Amino acid sequence: GAGVSQSPSNKVTEKGKDVELRCDPISGHTALYWYRQSLGQGLEFLIYFQGNSAPDKSGLPSDRFSAERTGGSVSTLTIQRTQQEDSAVYLCASSLERARTNYGYTFGSGTRLTVV
Amino acid sequence: GEDVEQSLFLSVREGDSSVINCTYTDSSSTYLYWYKQEPGAGLQLLTYIFSNMDMKQDQRLTVLLNKKDKHLSLRIADTQTGDSAIYFCAVTTGGGNKLTFGTGTQLKVEL
Repeated sequence: GAGVSQSPSNKVTEKGKDVELRCDPISGHTALYWYRQSLGQGLEFLIYFQGNSAPDKSGLPSDRFSAERTGGSVSTLTIQRTQQEDSAVYLCASSLERARTNYGYTFGSGTRLTVV
Repeated sequence: GEDVEQSLFLSVREGDSSVINCTYTDSSSTYLYWYKQEPGAGLQLLTYIFSNMDMKQDQRLTVLLNKKDKHLSLRIADTQTGDSAIYFCAVTTGGGNKLTFGTGTQLKVEL
């Protein structure tokens, strides 16, 4: 597609429920990233996928968080047993290759998650 | 781990220059970026600088890099109300596999 697409744009869920957030990267982009943006905070790195390599999961805050990327394209971030502190904007980005280029990333508009 | 810091707020008058500052800790960062985020939107890449440069100019934007002090700045000339947004500094870390972002600087442009 023309840009990075994320769905849903907004999600309100009850504490303890599971949620799935979807990211559809730009076609041909081999690298995909998930970040979390909390109010007044910078962007917190969560997970990084590059081609067929094992993902870098070093930023996932707990074992309630997981992500997968099927067929090297669409990615799903799953949060199990959501807590109020999970409320944030979840941003997905993709790039042609690893970040050490002048391309930077292209970001989606994010999913605003509110846990009540 | 890598730490990237920015001041949280900056207020300027329309027509003045804005200077947004950023400091980082990873001396091996090879690419450094500035992103802009407007309300309700994702981040938009504004400009970047490679670590072997000390200045880059792109229309109203000037990026200065002091690699010795690990200090990056973004100057916006003739600031307009449409420049009001949050500006994020980001640097490559982890061998270039990912970007570490600062907390963002909210720029408010007053008439």
